[in-house]
Amino acid sequence: DAKTTQPTSMDCAEGRAANLPCNHSTISGNEYVYWYRQIHSQGPQYIIHGLKNNETNEMASLIITEDRKSSTLILPHATLRDTAVYYCIVRVPGTASKLTFGTGTRLQVTL
Amino acid sequence: KAGVTQTPRYLIKTRGQQVTLSCSPISGHRSVSWYQQTPGQGLQFLFEYFSETQRNKGNFPGRFSGRQFSNSRSEMNVSTLELGDSALYLCASSLAGSEYQPQHFGDGTRLSIL
Repeated sequence: DAKTTQPTSMDCAEGRAANLPCNHSTISGNEYVYWYRQIHSQGPQYIIHGLKNNETNEMASLIITEDRKSSTLILPHATLRDTAVYYCIVRVPGTASKLTFGTGTRLQVTL
Repeated sequence: KAGVTQTPRYLIKTRGQQVTLSCSPISGHRSVSWYQQTPGQGLQFLFEYFSETQRNKGNFPGRFSGRQFSNSRSEMNVSTLELGDSALYLCASSLAGSEYQPQHFGDGTRLSIL
């Protein structure tokens, strides 16, 4: 699986959009980008995934650059409950199921 | 739809004992994977089961084993517990056969070894 690089931490004011970047410059053509988050003492929560088109669901939007070397997870209206560690993963689906999380971005949403 | 359920949530054992952890996947999910998460090592893959067969295995000693039942529920067992086995053990399920579907995690079993 391709390696990813994320900032260690970010802050966001409640109600504002949180934009979390991820660099995956070695991504190959059939690797998907997945985002998870983990709130303290809970299991990782799936957020969204995509291949090359932008994706949106009820939780977030995923913007993937045209060259697919980076992506941004957007939480449109962050709340205090969005405070968590966010993990960006790239992997080939349907292959070995094992996921590898990097160090992620610790997002702190403040009043 | 109920999520992935893991039992128990917390467990305290002593060195040398053995432990069995249980995982009930999301209804309809046939693939179950197990992970160990520690502050130092992060998330590490243990094994994956599909249709009662181990399909993938991580780099853990033979003390770690698992199985899957016909209803897709899974258990993992750790024998001869060591202090270093203290960790959060996570189970994740997915719609095997649908290659693009993500894994969904339970809240884990926190195992402490004294």
